[in-house]
Amino acid sequence: DTEVTQTPKHLVMGMTNKKSLKCEQHMGHRAMYWYKQKAKKPPELMFVYSYEKLSINESVPSRFSPECPNSSLLNLHLHALQPEDSALYLCAITPTTQTDTEAFFGQGTRLTVV
Amino acid sequence: SQQGEEDPQALSIQEGENATMNCSYKTSINNLQWYRQNSGRGLVHLILIRSNEREKHSGRLRVTLDTSKKSSSLLITASRAADTASYFCATDLFYNQGGKLIFGQGTELSVKP
Repeated sequence: DTEVTQTPKHLVMGMTNKKSLKCEQHMGHRAMYWYKQKAKKPPELMFVYSYEKLSINESVPSRFSPECPNSSLLNLHLHALQPEDSALYLCAITPTTQTDTEAFFGQGTRLTVV
Repeated sequence: SQQGEEDPQALSIQEGENATMNCSYKTSINNLQWYRQNSGRGLVHLILIRSNEREKHSGRLRVTLDTSKKSSSLLITASRAADTASYFCATDLFYNQGGKLIFGQGTELSVKP
C-alpha cells in the first residue's frame, strides 16, 4: 500500500485547459517533491518543498505552478501546457531534505496533453 | 546534468539466474540509493548505501559501492518473474542541495519464467 496518494491516476487535458494534480501524505514527512518522468527515462526533479516552503525550482516553466497548502498536501497546477508536457508526474516525500533516508513515491499521474 | 549512468540499459534473463546492474556517477556523494519501478507506476525504494560503506545486503539484493571508481552495482540473486521492472540508482550530492536526488538512466530487467 502506498503511503503517498496521487490523484487523478490519469488526466487528459487540452492545451487551453487548467487542471491540478494532487498529492496527499499522512506520514508527517516535511519534504515533498514533484518529479516528471518521460517514457523510458529517469524521473527528473521539478520542485522541492521543505516545511511547506518552496526550496528548489529546477527552472520549470511557469505553466507549472506548485502549491503546498499544508504539511499533508502538495498540488501542481497546470495551465496552457504543451503536448511535450505529456508524462508521468510523480510526487515523493522524505522526512526532511536530508538525503540519508528513503523517499516514498506515489503511483503517479499519467498526463496526456492534446 | 547527468549524475548517474547505468548499464546495461536492458537485461533479459531466465528465472533463477542472477542479475547484475551497474551505476556510475560523476561527483562526490553522501549516499546512493536503488529504486525499482514497475511499468508506469511509482518508484519503490530498495536499498540505501552510504559513502563510507562498501557492501550492503537486503534479502536477495546485494549492493556494492566503490567511491574511488564512482560506481555501484546491484545484484539480484535467484531472480523471479516478479522482479521484472526498471531499476534506477539515485545519488545525492556531497554538498546536499536540499534533498535533490539525481536518477541514473535505469536498467530494464526482464525475467522470463
